[in-house]
Amino acid sequence: EAGVTQFPSHSVIEKGQTVTLRCDPISGHDNLYWYRRVMGKEIKFLLHFVKESKQDESGMPNNRFLAERTGGTYSTLKVQPAELEDSGVYFCASSLQTGIGEKLFFGSGTQLSVL
Amino acid sequence: QKEVEQDPGPLSVPEGAIVSLNCTYSNSAFQYFMWYRQYSRKGPELLMYTYSSGNKEDGRFTAQVDKSSKYISLFIRDSQPSDSATYLCAMSPRPGYALNFGKGTSLLVTP
Repeated sequence: EAGVTQFPSHSVIEKGQTVTLRCDPISGHDNLYWYRRVMGKEIKFLLHFVKESKQDESGMPNNRFLAERTGGTYSTLKVQPAELEDSGVYFCASSLQTGIGEKLFFGSGTQLSVL
Repeated sequence: QKEVEQDPGPLSVPEGAIVSLNCTYSNSAFQYFMWYRQYSRKGPELLMYTYSSGNKEDGRFTAQVDKSSKYISLFIRDSQPSDSATYLCAMSPRPGYALNFGKGTSLLVTP
């Protein structure tokens, strides 16, 4: 069974440019999460999809970030325009269902560098 | 004060040693506690999941939660070089809610 797939694995862009990160969750997983780790900091929650609906987007830093999940399958996270402080590793995770013992499966992340 | 505190290490132990990893937290609403293992250039992988206070054992791993002290621990017995990784604690008030992570402790088990 394929795990959570994220691409690109690395992206280097200049300040002011646009970048789109993609996440393919495990097939059949309704829950999809985005997290981010900025260098030297802990992993922070960004948002949670249940199928195609945003369940919780309280962690989105500002309106330069736009997440979508078309048809409840893959998800994209767009940063427009990118700023220096957006650099970090963006993780996607999926789970079959929430509840006690929910197991999140994480992708390997996208390393974003904004120069 | 950060919600979750975790010593980043690095922690270096010889093969076969017992490893103790810890986190403290400040939010008394946290009820669900997890330990993740993360290898270099990989995503976190769930190791242990516990609810409220108490102990849970799975093979060489034991997770302990002391809610009265707001302190959680992960013990690794008979540590192996393959255990070398970063260990992250995470916690949430309810299932399906955002996880609050510690910074992670880097562990090196030397042969």
